[in-house]
Amino acid sequence: DIVMTQSPDSLAVSLGERATINCKSSQSVLYSSNNKNYLGWFQQKPGHPPKLLIYWASTRESGVPDRFSGSGSGTDFTLTISNLQAEDVAVYYCHQYYSTPPTFGQGTKLDIK
Amino acid sequence: QVQLVQSGAEVKKPGASVKVSCKASGYTFTNYGIQWVRQAPGQGLEWMGWINAGDGDRKYSQKFQGRVTFSRDTSATTAYMDLSRLRPEDTAVYYCARPDDSGWFYWGQGTLVTVSS
Repeated sequence: DIVMTQSPDSLAVSLGERATINCKSSQSVLYSSNNKNYLGWFQQKPGHPPKLLIYWASTRESGVPDRFSGSGSGTDFTLTISNLQAEDVAVYYCHQYYSTPPTFGQGTKLDIK
Repeated sequence: QVQLVQSGAEVKKPGASVKVSCKASGYTFTNYGIQWVRQAPGQGLEWMGWINAGDGDRKYSQKFQGRVTFSRDTSATTAYMDLSRLRPEDTAVYYCARPDDSGWFYWGQGTLVTVSS
């Protein structure tokens, strides 16, 4: 199984500042035949299902504000939230769908400082 | 638009079984699989397995093998997750999700299953 490890486990950022969450996979999730990383980022708020923010590691889902961006390739990935807003308080998960079983990071709790 | 609507919360005693449904709409049901994921209180996301809604092929997480069964009713465009021999540690929110090649865009609202004597 591919193990997904996020860092940090939690962070607090001031409104308007930048939040950075890292995700490392135990093996590459880059599919060579199409050069796509099978890596997604979810946002989850209490009482709600996960919401997909980013897929293919860096493609923003429709309707997601452009302050959310994803980067990285292979085994190392980053979710960056610029100009942090109050509504961004949530838990964020990275997720690999490169192989079965699909696996998730342990989550990063983002709060306002 | 794609929607996955799950059945309501359940309270079960240890040793019992629970069946959660996931009603799909807004797309051709048999063209996609349904994934099942659970989330214990305050914990992360745990994959349980997957069913191909077209041919009924199933894959189960080893952790749940022997206790979980996925099924589907194509005429009702509904997928089901049946978990038996429930234990208190099975208390969780159970989600269905419909992935495609690009990612996991669509999720049900979740079903809380509480196991308590």
